[in-house]
Amino acid sequence: SQQGEEDPQALSIQEGENATMNCSYKTSINNLQWYRQNSGRGLVHLILIRSNEREKHSGRLRVTLDTSKKSSSLLITASRAADTASYFCATDAGDYKLSFGAGTTVTVRA
Amino acid sequence: DAGVTQSPTHLIKTRGQHVTLRCSPISGHKSVSWYQQVLGQGPQFIFQYYEKEERGRGNFPDRFSARQFPNYSSELNVNALLLGDSALYLCASSLVRDDYGYTFGSGTRLTVV
Repeated sequence: SQQGEEDPQALSIQEGENATMNCSYKTSINNLQWYRQNSGRGLVHLILIRSNEREKHSGRLRVTLDTSKKSSSLLITASRAADTASYFCATDAGDYKLSFGAGTTVTVRA
Repeated sequence: DAGVTQSPTHLIKTRGQHVTLRCSPISGHKSVSWYQQVLGQGPQFIFQYYEKEERGRGNFPDRFSARQFPNYSSELNVNALLLGDSALYLCASSLVRDDYGYTFGSGTRLTVV
C-alpha cells in the first residue's frame, strides 16, 4: 500500500504557467521528499523538507508542508517544456524506507 | 563523480526463471535500497541494506532476496519469476541522514514472459 497520494493525477499547462500539485500522507514523518521521473526511468531528487519546516525553496521549486493536515504541496513556477515528467512525493518515517504516492503526470505545452 | 549505476538496463526472462540485478552506489554512500515500480504506479520498497546488514524489508515474498558486498554494491535476486514481477527495478543510495535525499539509478526494466 502507498503512504502518500498525489493530487491531481494529471496536469496540463502552458509553458510559462505555474504548476501546483499536492500530496497527502497518513502517518508521522521525519521528512517529505519530492522526486521527478522522466519517461519511466530513474527518479531525480528535487527537494527535501523536514517535519519541523513549513516551507522550502530551490530555484523554481517551492514546497510547503503542513504536518497538522499531513499534506504537502509542490509549486513549479514559470514552467518549461523540460518540466514535463511525473512527480512523486515520498515520505520518510524513519523506518529505513521511502513511501511513495502514485504520482502526478505534468505535461507542459509549448 | 559517477552516479548510481544499475545493470543490466533491460532484461527479458521466462516464468519460473531466476534473475540477478546489480547496483553500485555513489562513492561514500553506505546504504543501498531497492524499489519495484509497476507501470503507472509509484515505487514500492523492497529492501534497504546498510553496512552489509538488512535494515528493512518491504511486503514482498521470500522469492525476493538481496545482499550487499564489502564495497557497498548490491544484488537483488528474484527466484521463480512470475508475470507480475515485470516492472522497473530501481536502486537508490543514500548517506542515511534525515536531511539528505536518495540518489536513484536509471533502473532495470524486467519483462517476464
